[in-house]
This record gives sequence, C-alpha cells and structure tokens, in this order.
Amino acid sequence: GAVVSQHPSWVICKSGTSVKIECRSLDFQATTMFWYRQFPKQSLMLMATSNEGSKATYEQGVEKDKFLINHASLTLSTLTVTSAHPEDSSFYICSARVDRLSPLHFGNGTRLTVT
Amino acid sequence: GQNIDQPTEMTATEGAIVQINCTYQTSGFNGLFWYQQHAGEAPTFLSYNVLDGLEEKGRFSSFLSRSKGYSYLLLKELQMKDSASYLCAVNGYGQNFVFGPGTRLSVLP
Repeated sequence: GAVVSQHPSWVICKSGTSVKIECRSLDFQATTMFWYRQFPKQSLMLMATSNEGSKATYEQGVEKDKFLINHASLTLSTLTVTSAHPEDSSFYICSARVDRLSPLHFGNGTRLTVT
Repeated sequence: GQNIDQPTEMTATEGAIVQINCTYQTSGFNGLFWYQQHAGEAPTFLSYNVLDGLEEKGRFSSFLSRSKGYSYLLLKELQMKDSASYLCAVNGYGQNFVFGPGTRLSVLP
C-alpha cells in the first residue's frame, strides 16, 4: 500500500518554457503532498507543502510564482515550473503520507533538464 | 532550531555489518524514519521508530533513544546492492519531516 506515482520521469525543455509534473497517490487519499528538489550529491530540499483545496505553503527562498502548485483533488498534486531556466535543472520528487504520523512515501522523481 | 547529523560517508565490506548513526535536535518528535536512496532514484522507506528500542525488519534494524536524541540503522549481511545513501528523517513539530544530509555507503567486494 501507500503508492505514489509521479510523471513524467524525465523531461528536457528549452529555456523560457513551462513544465508540469504530476504526483498521484494511487491507493490512498492525501490531503497533503510535499514537493522536494535535490541537486547532485545533496540532500532533499523541501520546496513546498501542497494542501488539497487551498494554497500551497512555500519554504523560504522558493518563488511561488515560479513554482506553481495545484492540489485539485485528494489524489493529485501538480507542480508547474514556469519560465524554466538552466538553473532549474534538478531532480524533483513528490511525496505523500496516509496520515500525519505515517512515513512519507515518495514518487519516482522527475529529472528536469532545461537547455 | 532543528538539526540532524549523520556521517557523510562510510565504507564496508560485502557480508559485514554496518551501523549508520543519526543524532537529532528537533522541535517536537513524532517518529524517526530511515530511507534508502540509490543514485538517481527517489528515496524508499526502510524503517521507523516512535518508541525507544530496536525495530527489526529482515537484514535492517533501527534503534532509537529519544532521551539521547540518537538513532542508528544497522545493516547485516551487506550486499553490493546496499551501496546507496541512507537518510535519517524526523517527523517533528507540526508533523513536518526534517531530513538529515544522508550517509553515502559504499559496499566493497
């Protein structure tokens, strides 16, 4: 149980374009999902907390207008990287949990390369 | 503040036992979690402790001492495929997860 699916697995886009990443909880409902970014050989960095039916909560230093998060249902959250630049190239990973005391389960991640 | 500390790198031999330590100082405590992350992949959940003591799951065991702010992950009968990063995370204040920097384990033949 507690499977999280993330799509796409990898994407290459040109500077200035936007990219949407989907995160789905397949066998449970998640009122909260979490978006992380990870640069090579570094630890996970929490970008934002996605809340179903309300606005996302962004960590300090993360631009909410650049990283748009929508949590339209109890099983789907999307992250849109707008006007992408090469420095946005990274590994983006979503996660969710069954309840607030349960382990986080991660999607397979999306490797974004901006050329 | 919140702080989680782990050794940066460790090396061990195939078939051996290795212990990866984690110390933490966090606001609130709702559990300590261990994840394995292979290079280029997302983390996968291994084990967690809410109460003091040892939790055993096959070749992996995790120990917690809340009074000392200390946990370890024990890997037995090491295999080459165990070469990965191991992340310690605390579910703390507000039920928010805080991840440690990770320990990169290399298993040598």
